[in-house]
Amino acid sequence: DSGVTQTPKHLITATGQRVTLRCSPRSGDLSVYWYQQSLDQGLQFLIQYYNGEERAKGNILERFSAQQFPDLHSELNLSSLELGDSALYFCASSVRGQPAGELFFGEGSRLTVL
Amino acid sequence: KNEVEQSPQNLTAQEGEFITINCSYSVGISALHWLQQHPGGGIVSLFMLSSGKKKHGRLIATINIQEKHSSLHITASHPRDSAVYICAVSFTGNQFYFGTGTSLTVIP
Repeated sequence: DSGVTQTPKHLITATGQRVTLRCSPRSGDLSVYWYQQSLDQGLQFLIQYYNGEERAKGNILERFSAQQFPDLHSELNLSSLELGDSALYFCASSVRGQPAGELFFGEGSRLTVL
Repeated sequence: KNEVEQSPQNLTAQEGEFITINCSYSVGISALHWLQQHPGGGIVSLFMLSSGKKKHGRLIATINIQEKHSSLHITASHPRDSAVYICAVSFTGNQFYFGTGTSLTVIP
């Protein structure tokens, strides 16, 4: 058990819809990272937050947004969903902000868009 | 252009064999991570390196900053080591890039 909690574990929705994925980091970790893993693109870095502030941005689509709340949990919002958004979405946390420290991954949220 | 190259893509070994997985990257990095992903999908961080060598049980990770290359070694491999091993690099500014992974199967 990494100590990182992601919900929901599985989510099935339709194109055009909006979903929210939630991540609770390990106790004491200030950084939260979001990653997308799809069959054709592998793992991709989406975005990082550190203590409530956005710190780094990767290949995150404009239809996607994220935030980190004062209690340090984070949410990834995916809107106007397309079939290609079907993927595993991982959250990871670490103590440090920059450079990235050791990463602790959640079990992932599997999103299926029909 | 892929910033991170991993080899081999697939690897089958007999139980007990010594295994090496390689990772090369193209620019200067702040850290390199080796990750393990089991068939169920969960990802575990094995090592984070910025220089030198680290050892944890039967796993050894090395990095050569000048050559921009890292290796993950598994000694006395076991069927439970069967997984996908992923190399990830983080750059200044915390951009992450991932290798495509090495799928390892260890046969009893």
